[in-house]
Amino acid sequence: NAGVMQNPRHLVRRRGQEARLRCSPMKGHSHVYWYRQLPEEGLKFMVYLQKENIIDESGMPKERFSAEFPKEGPSILRIQQVVRGDSAAYFCASSPTTANTEAFFGQGTRLTVV
Amino acid sequence: GESVGLHLPTLSVQEGDNSIINCAYSNSASDYFIWYKQESGKGPQFIIDIRSNMDKRQGQRVTVLLNKTVKHLSLQIAATQPGDSAVYFCAERNQAGTALIFGKGTTLSVSS
Repeated sequence: NAGVMQNPRHLVRRRGQEARLRCSPMKGHSHVYWYRQLPEEGLKFMVYLQKENIIDESGMPKERFSAEFPKEGPSILRIQQVVRGDSAAYFCASSPTTANTEAFFGQGTRLTVV
Repeated sequence: GESVGLHLPTLSVQEGDNSIINCAYSNSASDYFIWYKQESGKGPQFIIDIRSNMDKRQGQRVTVLLNKTVKHLSLQIAATQPGDSAVYFCAERNQAGTALIFGKGTTLSVSS
């Protein structure tokens, strides 16, 4: 029973490029969340999705960031025209039927913008 | 507003001691809390959760206590081992139920 799978684990992008982060939730989990973690800090909520729906995107920057969770395939967090300040660890979590209960996290994608 | 904080950024204990990690939250309407352990370079690992209709919940070597009167949450680790060394976060579900709000974390260091 695989856990939450994120890839890539490490991603290096030059300023202005696009970053795509992928997340496959645990089997049977229909709720997906994305969080960002800066060094030495806690996790900050970005977006909550269910299949084909964005439920809460209150933590997403208004520009350049988008997320989707299509009917088939993993959830994608997309960052366009990356800047140095986007460098962080991005974590995906999933939970089963009830939102945010027993939320399990993936190993994260560490994005470095050079 | 909603916020979750921790009392101490670091905690150092000897192997075999019991550890207590504390967390204060501000939203008296919060109904669900989780403790996570995060090792360097890894994602947060679920440890134990508790709902607001409970005061105490026990797991394997861990106990979570919830004091709603003073809005305080604690994680107790019995017989702490070197493998318990990590950053520990408490998280609170927001009022809408759509997100977890994390504190900054307590770094637990266990020496042999």
